[in-house]
Amino acid sequence: SAVISQKPSRDICQRGTSLTIQCQVDSQVTMMFWYRQQPGQSLTLIATANQGSEATYESGFVIDKFPISRPNLTFSTLTVSNMSPEDSSIYLCSVEDGYTFGSGTRLTVV
Amino acid sequence: EDQVTQSPEALRLQEGESSSLNCSYTVSGLRGLFWYRQDPGKGPEFLFTLYSAGEEKEKERLKATLTKKESFLHITAPKPEDSATYLCAVQAVNTNAGKSTFGDGTTLTVKP
Repeated sequence: SAVISQKPSRDICQRGTSLTIQCQVDSQVTMMFWYRQQPGQSLTLIATANQGSEATYESGFVIDKFPISRPNLTFSTLTVSNMSPEDSSIYLCSVEDGYTFGSGTRLTVV
Repeated sequence: EDQVTQSPEALRLQEGESSSLNCSYTVSGLRGLFWYRQDPGKGPEFLFTLYSAGEEKEKERLKATLTKKESFLHITAPKPEDSATYLCAVQAVNTNAGKSTFGDGTTLTVKP
C-alpha cells in the first residue's frame, strides 16, 4: 500500500490567518481525499482531489474556506483559510486504496 | 445517504476479558467495510477490509466479521496495548473508490 508523508504534524495559528497542509504520496494515485476530525469526533470528508480538475467538496465545505491543489499524481495541499477557533481539528489526507492515511495535522487556532 | 453507527461509544475491559465492538451500517451497495485503529494524535491505522456478508478476517487478537447490516470486531484476551479508538467505515459502490463514511468510533480501554 501507499505511504503518505503529511506536514506539518501540528501548528498553533492566530485567528484570521491561513495554514497550508501538504501530503506527499510515494506512488501515483488518481484520487486523494481530505478529512477533518474535530475534537472527540470521527472523520468527516471535506473534499476529493483529482489531478487536473477542481476538487469536489462535500456538503458544508466550500472552496473559499478550504482551497485544495492537486498539481500532480503524488501531491496535494489543503489550505484552511481565515481561521477561527472552530477550525481547530485534526486534518488528514488519504488515497483511493482506503487503507492509507497521513499521520494528520493537529491544528489549534487561538 | 450512507450511515455508520458504532457501539458502544466507550468500552472498558480488564486485561484478558474478551468482548466485541459493533458497527451497524446503511449503504446503497457495499464496496467494502473497513476497520481502523486510531491512537491519540495519530492517523487511522488500517486493520481489515471486508467485502461480503459471511466474510471473516483475523489478525492477532482481533477478528472482524460481516453481515448484510453490521460488522463486529471481536477482541480476544485483550492487552493494555490494545487500548485505542477503533473506527469503522464503509465505501459505497456508487461513489469514488476511497471515499469513506466513518462511524464515531469506540474508545477501548484495557486495564492491566
